[in-house]
Amino acid sequence: AQRVTQPEKLLSVFKGAPVELKCNYSYSGSPELFWYVQYSRQRLQLLLRHISRESIKGFTADLNKGETSFHLKKPFAQEEDSAMYYCALSGNNAGNMLTFGGGTRLMVKP
Amino acid sequence: DAGITQSPRHKVTETGTPVTLRCHQTENHRYMYWYRQDPGHGLRLIHYSYGVKDTDKGEVSDGYSVSRSKTEDFLLTLESATSSQTSVYFCAIREPGTDTQYFGPGTRLTVL
Repeated sequence: AQRVTQPEKLLSVFKGAPVELKCNYSYSGSPELFWYVQYSRQRLQLLLRHISRESIKGFTADLNKGETSFHLKKPFAQEEDSAMYYCALSGNNAGNMLTFGGGTRLMVKP
Repeated sequence: DAGITQSPRHKVTETGTPVTLRCHQTENHRYMYWYRQDPGHGLRLIHYSYGVKDTDKGEVSDGYSVSRSKTEDFLLTLESATSSQTSVYFCAIREPGTDTQYFGPGTRLTVL
C-alpha cells in the first residue's frame, strides 16, 4: 500500500524566512511525486513534480529515496505563498491514482 | 485551468435526498477522477473512470456511484445523502502519458 504523510498541519513563518514543508512516503516501487498548492477556496494547482525537476515560484523539492522524503523548500517566503500545500504520490496502480497527504497550511506573516 | 468545470459549485441538501454532481472537461482526456476533500485527510479518491462506461472504485466509494456516458462528462451521484458526505468534491483529469492530474474548481456540498 502507498501512503503519504505530511507531519505538520500548520507551519507559520515570517516573510523572508526559509520554508521547508515536509513530506514522507511509503511505497515499495519507484514513485512519482507531486506538490499541489491550494489558495484560499480555490482549485488545487500543480506546483511541481519531481520527474521534471523544475522550480516554480521559487519552490524546489528533491526526492530522497533513502529517506523516502520529498520535502518542499523555498529560501525566502513571501506573503503570497500562504496557502494549503499537498504532497501526492502516484505508484504503479490501476488507474494511476494519486494518494495525497493530509496537507500543510503555510502562513507567512509580514 | 485545464478546461475542467464542475456544477453546481455550491449545494445544500437534506439527509436522504439524491444528489448528482457534474464534471465537464474540454480536453478529451481518457482518465477522470472524483475526490473528496476533508480537513486532516487531504484528498481521497471516490471513483475514477478510464473511458466511456469504464469506471472503478477508489478508497472511499461507499454511498457513491458514478457514470460516464460521454468522454467529456463524469457524474458523481450520492444515492441518499448523509451528513458524513458534507465535503468539498473535486474532479480531476489526467494528462495523457503522465501521472499528472489537473483539478476542477470544486463543489461545496452541505448535507443537513
